Formats: sequence, structure tokens, C-alpha cells
Amino acid sequence: EPEVTQTPSHQVTQMGQEVILRCVPISNHLYFYWYRQILGQKVEFLVSFYNNEISEKSEIFDDQFSVERPDGSNFTLKIRSTKLEDSAMYFCASSGAAGAASGANVLTFGAGSRLTVL
Amino acid sequence: AQSVTQLGSHVSVSEGALVLLRCNYSSSVPPYLFWYVQYPNQGLQLLLKYTSAATLVKGINGFEAEFKKSETSFHLTKPSAHMSDAAEYFCAVRHPNTGNQFYFGTGTSLTVIP
Repeated sequence: EPEVTQTPSHQVTQMGQEVILRCVPISNHLYFYWYRQILGQKVEFLVSFYNNEISEKSEIFDDQFSVERPDGSNFTLKIRSTKLEDSAMYFCASSGAAGAASGANVLTFGAGSRLTVL
Repeated sequence: AQSVTQLGSHVSVSEGALVLLRCNYSSSVPPYLFWYVQYPNQGLQLLLKYTSAATLVKGINGFEAEFKKSETSFHLTKPSAHMSDAAEYFCAVRHPNTGNQFYFGTGTSLTVIP
């Protein structure tokens, strides 16, 4: 079963520091996503990425956030200057193209990266 | 705009009892609908999905859900709860033709009482 893998599983950082969360999506998927889940709250959409550019982003995804697919396999989320409220579980996900076979419409999630900002 | 509403943030059932987790969607056209499960300290796993085929969808671990357009609902059920079903359950909606963003509900935490 193909998997989405995320590293690190847990990162602790000081407020104001830069953080990079890494993801390796499923190899033949075309769409990539970042979601976050603050403890006890719902899963929130951050950004989607297709064809080497951002296709959609939410209000949460402000100038402190950026995404990149540097080498055709990794998909990274960077937070430039972390704030306390950035503490959350960050989930990477990938999917095939919309309109393809129904299986391709499914988001496959990684296990998440827990970010703790002190 | 699309959204899903999950009624009941916490549901408790006895082992062996019926599980019913509610989800209602808001969408201008019939959407794709999904149920994901999150076990403690794990990521989200797909339970089942509705993508305009059969309205009664069977998923993993004995769960199923029925798409009811007249009620704009996609409730998740399981005839007999097992202790291992204790988890957080999320309903999600996706418009088939507008972008690829999934919109998640606020989640329902299922507790199974022995």
C-alpha cells in the first residue's frame, strides 16, 4: 500500500525560529496538500499544490508560510518565524487528478508532524 | 461554498451497540463525500467514500454510510461497536469540479463502553 511519509514526527522549537516540515507524497500523485489540526480542534486546510505552484490556499496560509517541491519527490512546508499559535499537528496529503478514476479522488494522509512552539 | 456539519462532538455507545455518526453537507451540487478515521496519535485514514455511484457505501471495519440527497446527509453507521472503534471520525466533502480542496467537519469522538 503506497504511503505518504512525513518527517519529523515531532519537532519542538522556540518562538521566532524557522521550521521546515517534510513530506514524501505518493509517487504518481499530482496534487499535494498541507492541513493542520490544533489540539482538540478540527482539521483545517492550509494549501494545495499542483504543477509546481499553489492552486489554493486558506486564510491561515499567510506570508509566514511557504511550500516547495524542491526535487520532484519531497514536498515541504516552511514556517518562517513560528508563533505559539502555530503549535499543531501538520498533515501532508496527496491525491491523483480530479476527474480521473474514482480512487484518484481520495486524499491519502501522512501520519503527521507535531509542532510544538515554546 | 461547501461545508459539512457533524452533529455531536462526542458519542458514546456500549460495545455491541449500533454506531451512528451524523454528517450533513451543504453544496450546490451533489458532492463527493468521505469519512475518515483518526486513531490516537495517528494520521487520518479513509473509511469510505461516496463518488456518485451507489448511495449505500461500504467501508472498512464494518462501517457503511448512505448518501441521502433529500436530507443532504451522509451518516456513518456500524451495526455493532467494537472497542477498537474508539477514535475520532471526520466527515469531509469535495466538489467534483471545483478545485481539489477537501472540507472537513469538526469531528466526532467515539467512545465505546465495555
